[in-house]
Amino acid sequence: EAQVTQNPRYLITVTGKKLTVTCSQNMNHEYMSWYRQDPGLGLRQIYYSMNVEVTDKGDVPEGYKVSRKEKRNFPLILESPSPNQTSLYFCASSLQGLYQPQHFGDGTRLSIL
Amino acid sequence: AQKITQTQPGMFVQEKEAVTLDCTYDTSDQSYGLFWYKQPSSGEMIFLIYQGSYDEQNATEGRYSLNFQKARKSANLVISASQLGDSAMYFCAMREIWGSNYKLTFGKGTLLTVNP
Repeated sequence: EAQVTQNPRYLITVTGKKLTVTCSQNMNHEYMSWYRQDPGLGLRQIYYSMNVEVTDKGDVPEGYKVSRKEKRNFPLILESPSPNQTSLYFCASSLQGLYQPQHFGDGTRLSIL
Repeated sequence: AQKITQTQPGMFVQEKEAVTLDCTYDTSDQSYGLFWYKQPSSGEMIFLIYQGSYDEQNATEGRYSLNFQKARKSANLVISASQLGDSAMYFCAMREIWGSNYKLTFGKGTLLTVNP
C-alpha cells in the first residue's frame, strides 16, 4: 500500500530533550516536506527536500533540522525542543511538479512541557 | 494578502444534499495547481481532488468536483449527496513555484458538519 509513515504518532516530552520524528514513504517520491499545524495559523512549511541530499528551509525552520540521506526517509530533528514547538506535525511527499498532489502521513502530536 | 482564502469558517448541510465550499486564490503565475484536502477529527490529511491551471475541464472524483473559474481565481469544492462521514475540516491549497520550491500553501479551512 502506498503510504507515508510517521513515528511516533504521539509524544510528550520535556524542554531541551532532543527528539527525532521519522518519516518514510514507499512511493519513490523525490519531493518531501514537513509541516506544522497550529490553531489559527493553519499549516506552515518547516523544511522541504527536492531530492536526496537537497534540503532547504520553508517558512518556519527555526529550531528544526532535517536530513535526506535516502530517498524514502526524511526525519525531522528537534535538537533542543521548547514549548512553542508543541504542535501537530505532518510529513508529506510527492513527485516533482506543480500538479502533483502531496500525500500526507497521519501526523505526529508533539507536546513539549 | 492571503494566498488562499476560504471565507466560510463553518458550513452545515443535510445528509444527501449537495454543498459547495468556497476557495479563492491569489497568484500572478500562469502555472499552478489547486488541491483540496479533508481532515477528519482523527487528524490525518486526505487528498481529495486537484485542478491544474491549464485544465479546461473541471476536475471530478467520485462525489467531489472542483468548480474552477480561472478569471475569478476561484476553485470551489462541490460535494454531492453528502454523507455523515463527510463531516470534517476541508482545506483548499495551491502549489506554485517559490524559488526552488514547489510550495504548497493552505487556506485556513472550512469545518463542514453533515446533519442526519
